[in-house]
Amino acid sequence: AQKVTQAQTEISVVEKEDVTLDCVYETRDTTYYLFWYKQPPSGELVFLIRRNSFDEQNEISGRYSWNFQKSTSSFNFTITASQVVDSAVYFCALVSGGYQKVTFGIGTKLQVIP
Amino acid sequence: SQTIHQWPATLVQPVGSPLSLECTVEGTSNPNLYWYRQAAGRGLQLLFYSVGIGQISSEVPQNLSASRPQDRQFILSSKKLLLSDSGFYLCAWSVHRTDTQYFGPGTRLTVL
Repeated sequence: AQKVTQAQTEISVVEKEDVTLDCVYETRDTTYYLFWYKQPPSGELVFLIRRNSFDEQNEISGRYSWNFQKSTSSFNFTITASQVVDSAVYFCALVSGGYQKVTFGIGTKLQVIP
Repeated sequence: SQTIHQWPATLVQPVGSPLSLECTVEGTSNPNLYWYRQAAGRGLQLLFYSVGIGQISSEVPQNLSASRPQDRQFILSSKKLLLSDSGFYLCAWSVHRTDTQYFGPGTRLTVL
């Protein structure tokens, strides 16, 4: 079995603040993949990143960065200098080689206040 | 490039009426296809997935069914809708089951 926990259900920040969205996962497989998706108010899920279990390098894409730590089973997502357009629900997801079904976290609703 | 379409975008149906939601993918062959439901303020629930024509796996027993009559077409159906079927229905595709899933724009269903 596999599990994804996003303990923060809602976060509010003021524009230009940095914010980190937490994601903790559970799996017994050694090969697995982690994802982050963004769901803006329009509803469509937008893919942000895919990371495999053998690549622990952190990744930066513009204002977005991801911190993957196998030791703590976490794959956290940081938005630097947040903007109003970042307001959305963010989902963390996991799929493992043995289970082969994607498990989504419940999502974190981020509100960026101008 | 690949694109995924869903229709209709919104739907209001009375309890007990039938349902048919359609999803099509362009620009790829033999994709894995998925139907998810998202209730208001909730996470994503996988309903069905398909690895090929006519191959459907159900994740949650309920009054919904799915079919894949063509390689890139995935249909979600119901013979009689319940109030609890209201929600946001998302279709997705991937190359393999561990690959990134790409989502369609969704259908917002309200059952009254």
